[in-house]
Amino acid sequence: EAQVTQNPRYLITVTGKKLTVTCSQNMNHEYMSWYRQDPGLGLRQIYYSMNVEVTDKGDVPEGYKVSRKEKRNFPLILESPSPNQTSLYFCASSYRGDTEAFFGQGTRLTVV
Amino acid sequence: EDKVVQSPLSLVVHEGDTVTLNCSYEVTNFRSLLWYKQEKKAPTFLFMLTSSGIEKKSGRLSSILDKKELFSILNITATQTGDSAIYLCAVRAGNNRKLIWGLGTSLAVNP
Repeated sequence: EAQVTQNPRYLITVTGKKLTVTCSQNMNHEYMSWYRQDPGLGLRQIYYSMNVEVTDKGDVPEGYKVSRKEKRNFPLILESPSPNQTSLYFCASSYRGDTEAFFGQGTRLTVV
Repeated sequence: EDKVVQSPLSLVVHEGDTVTLNCSYEVTNFRSLLWYKQEKKAPTFLFMLTSSGIEKKSGRLSSILDKKELFSILNITATQTGDSAIYLCAVRAGNNRKLIWGLGTSLAVNP
């Protein structure tokens, strides 16, 4: 089944403790993105990658890192999480960035 | 600055009604416009409209794109309670093929 898989689905952590949210897609898509979704602010892009080893900042990259060592994986790293990073996070992928984006199930992150 | 504006923000209707959701945009280097439905969690894809495909239909849902006036509408006929969701509009634009998202329209269909 074609899908984008995020893990974990839910995470509660403490300020400053490094964490990684994984994202994997099995559709051989070149284009992958990370978004955060907050009430009243909609979906905002954090980082995107147009292909392996090619990543770039989105609209709200501060406090986040990404890597794209393999085509299928695009992990999101929070080196030192803070409470303002409490949010619902989505990973998405698409074919060459020209087709519809497929979303992962989402990760609900709470930083206390 | 690129922007996508959806209206209304919220809508409450009765089952069987027809609804029209609006999406207007101002972007540089338009590539496509996409509609998504978001229920509990992840957005699910509905339609993609481009210069070569300005009208799409699937069952009770249909959408058109007006590239001259820079807007799209999503129509839902004979609404059902299962249509209750947030409907998101996004425009893909620019060389980096970025998706610019509207804030969504929250639709509630009452029995």
